[in-house]
Amino acid sequence: KNQVEQSPQSLIILEGKNCTLQCNYTVSPFSNLRWYKQDTGRGPVSLTIMTFSENTKSNGRYTATLDADTKQSSLHITASQLSDSASYICVVSAGGYQKVTFGTGTKLQVIP
Amino acid sequence: EAGVTQFPSHSVIEKGQTVTLRCDPISGHDNLYWYRRVMGKEIKFLLHFVKESKQDESGMPNNRFLAERTGGTYSTLKVQPAELEDSGVYFCASSATFSSGNTIYFGEGSWLTVV
Repeated sequence: KNQVEQSPQSLIILEGKNCTLQCNYTVSPFSNLRWYKQDTGRGPVSLTIMTFSENTKSNGRYTATLDADTKQSSLHITASQLSDSASYICVVSAGGYQKVTFGTGTKLQVIP
Repeated sequence: EAGVTQFPSHSVIEKGQTVTLRCDPISGHDNLYWYRRVMGKEIKFLLHFVKESKQDESGMPNNRFLAERTGGTYSTLKVQPAELEDSGVYFCASSATFSSGNTIYFGEGSWLTVV
């Protein structure tokens, strides 16, 4: 069964600090892995997309890594801002046509 | 450029009634997807259109759900009759192609409450 597990479930950090969110998956055959940011009451917004051959991708203060051998990904947020408070969702696609499995997300709260 | 738009944003209906959700994808996007998040669970795939054809509808929960995309533009998702467990957020998304590295753009969701 295809699964995507994220940790931690929730996280509180001080503004300006860094943090790392984890994603482990068992989706097969692997096609790509995406990280989304979802603000409360809004739709998910794409942060990064990585295919099998990519092991790191950056988008501003967000850096995602992928280890396809261990089936793990991480999202590192540098110098956090209050606006980073949101849920971060890891989404893994299997095969073609974007059949996806979503993680349950990590809820990040950045406090002053 | 307009993003993916969904209507209504919120809907409260009684058990047994019918609700129709609409999604307008980004103009020119052939791929349209429906997803659902029920309370406390992760978002789950419902189905995928390529233009007007259903490419994959394996995530549709049962035959009370009917999705259409006539003409390959906007899509509707009808729930008839609605049950309490159908409450949740229904997301629509679109992408230009289905290639592995493409971006999938989500709408803001239609929040459905069945009472």
